[in-house]
Amino acid sequence: KAGVTQTPRYLIKTRGQQVTLSCSPISGHRSVSWYQQTPGQGLQFLFEYFSETQRNKGNFPGRFSGRQFSNSRSEMNVSTLELGDSALYLCASSNGQGSSTDTQYFGPGTRLTVL
Amino acid sequence: AQSVTQLGSHVSVSEGALVLLRCNYSSSVPPYLFWYVQYPNQGLQLLLKYTSAATLVKGINGFEAEFKKSETSFHLTKPSAHMRDAAEYFCAVSASGYSTLTFGKGTMLLVSP
Repeated sequence: KAGVTQTPRYLIKTRGQQVTLSCSPISGHRSVSWYQQTPGQGLQFLFEYFSETQRNKGNFPGRFSGRQFSNSRSEMNVSTLELGDSALYLCASSNGQGSSTDTQYFGPGTRLTVL
Repeated sequence: AQSVTQLGSHVSVSEGALVLLRCNYSSSVPPYLFWYVQYPNQGLQLLLKYTSAATLVKGINGFEAEFKKSETSFHLTKPSAHMRDAAEYFCAVSASGYSTLTFGKGTMLLVSP
């Protein structure tokens, strides 16, 4: 079974631009979560989507948004990029049913650099 | 609310030595606990997880962790370190399978020959 895939793997943008990152979950998984990883703040939760609806949201400004499509693929968008948005953005998928066997599996991440 | 504290941002061991990475958690409800490993330029790989079944959890690559409620700890161990174990290790907690993961700051494991 294919794992979680994220595209692109690397991205360079300039301040003020906007960016869209994509995540394809493991087949059959309906939940997609996004995390931001930086050296200073570590791993921080952005948001989770389940069946095309945002189910959980972290403490990030409104410039960070996301959506999920009917095939469970998800995108996150960051508008008006700031230098501090430079980070590794990780996507994780799970079946989202909340059972003890439910586990989040991570993709390789998208490395975003803002100049 | 949940939180995780990992003691030691870096741990150095010799090849063949015991690996012990410490994790303490805070949770208002019975937690699910996880250890993930991250190799350079890669995502997170699940090593093991605790979901209120057996308190001693065995994972991949010879790692195991013991849930101790009285100490609010979930330390990761491996009897004998190998060079390929050098990576960053993250402990995480969630309130249930539905909940988001709250991660510790990570511990970089360095293995010397």
